[in-house]
Amino acid sequence: DTGVSQDPRHKITKRGQNVTFRCDPISEHNRLYWYRQTLGQGPEFLTYFQNEAQLEKSRLLSDRFSAERPKGSFSTLEIQRTEQGDSAMYLCASSLARSSYNSPLHFGNGTRLTVT
Amino acid sequence: AQSVTQLDSHVSVSEGTPVLLRCNYSSSYSPSLFWYVQHPNKGLQLLLKYTSAATLVKGINGFEAEFKKSETSFHLTKPSAHMSDAAEYFCVVTMNSGGYQKVTFGTGTKLQVIP
Repeated sequence: DTGVSQDPRHKITKRGQNVTFRCDPISEHNRLYWYRQTLGQGPEFLTYFQNEAQLEKSRLLSDRFSAERPKGSFSTLEIQRTEQGDSAMYLCASSLARSSYNSPLHFGNGTRLTVT
Repeated sequence: AQSVTQLDSHVSVSEGTPVLLRCNYSSSYSPSLFWYVQHPNKGLQLLLKYTSAATLVKGINGFEAEFKKSETSFHLTKPSAHMSDAAEYFCVVTMNSGGYQKVTFGTGTKLQVIP
């Protein structure tokens, strides 16, 4: 399978614990996005990488959230001191940047986080 | 600036009848437009894309959409609904600006298919 892969699929954690999610994009894609989606809502943008550079972070991304994409390949999203409000589906997407073409985003199946 | 409006939060159709999911957009420049489908507890799957080529775009599972610049619309249609089409659908507009791809999602339309 050469699609976007996310791990784990589900994570249950207690409030105050740290969690880390991983995303493996489609191999030739240089753009990588993280979104958060709560029940009944559309995806909310969190952050975006082009290669290893983090180009934009949403104001939703508090200082408890950090994302990295070392070497421009896989990416990790860490949430420190989790809160119940962090419970959501975390979606990763990747795309191929071309100067004259808007490549569609390809999404993974997401990581569902439940904070108890 | 760009925005996307999905005019209906819920649409209900009978199996075998046509589907129409409406999307209007605004964009300062020539946008690219996409429709995605999301089944429960799944990621978003690309249905079809418009990137300034033919205005009538055919996608997977019998869906198609027509880009109408004069109406700033990109409505999604299917001639005959199937039970497996029940899902949430998102209209998305993207635009390249200074090497950065800005992506804007609509709020989604839940499609219910009645047997």
